[in-house]
Amino acid sequence: AQSVAQPEDQVNVAEGNPLTVKCTYSVSGNPYLFWYVQYPNRGLQFLLKYITGDNLVKGSYGFEAEFNKSQTSFHLKKPSALVSDSALYFCAVRDSKAAGNKLTFGGGTRVLVKP
Amino acid sequence: NAGVTQTPKFQVLKTGQSMTLQCAQDMNHNSMYWYRQDPGMGLRLIYYSASEGTTDKGEVPNGYNVSRLNKREFSLRLESAAPSQTSVYFCASSPPSAGAVNTEAFFGQGTRLTVV
Repeated sequence: AQSVAQPEDQVNVAEGNPLTVKCTYSVSGNPYLFWYVQYPNRGLQFLLKYITGDNLVKGSYGFEAEFNKSQTSFHLKKPSALVSDSALYFCAVRDSKAAGNKLTFGGGTRVLVKP
Repeated sequence: NAGVTQTPKFQVLKTGQSMTLQCAQDMNHNSMYWYRQDPGMGLRLIYYSASEGTTDKGEVPNGYNVSRLNKREFSLRLESAAPSQTSVYFCASSPPSAGAVNTEAFFGQGTRLTVV
């Protein structure tokens, strides 16, 4: 079965400092990995995805993520955090060997960027 | 473009009442999903539909039923609501082919349901 873990419930960072949100996954086949962001009282917005190819993926709002197959990780990063990056972040995975088009999410990590 | 539209946005039910959450997408997507979001538990998949005419159980299907009415619409029904079903419900869809695992999903704005 496919699964995702986000080990940190909350990440606190000062504005201008680097931001990292951790994600690890488990699949039977090849992973298709996604990051989403959720602002208060809103739906989820897509940030970026890894399907194949370059392990460093760039996405919206200056975010990037690094796929590491040996560590089964897909950590989200931003070199210089903004107060407006404060939100709830979700990692998600699809398994290439899973039937249907099932998308599984992690528990979410709340990011708080302080001025 | 409207994207994924959910109705209603808010609902309060009494224990034992029934209701249907509606979801429609105008992007010609084949796959549609229902998730519930609870504090500390992320998004858990209730049911999904890989294509019109098919539905499958997710992680937490008990107490729910779904109908894929046509390609656009995917409804979620609570036959007898319980306080444990108090949650925020999200509908999502993803693009055309049932085998398109490399495509992201698009989400509605959510339905906040309280069962008292």
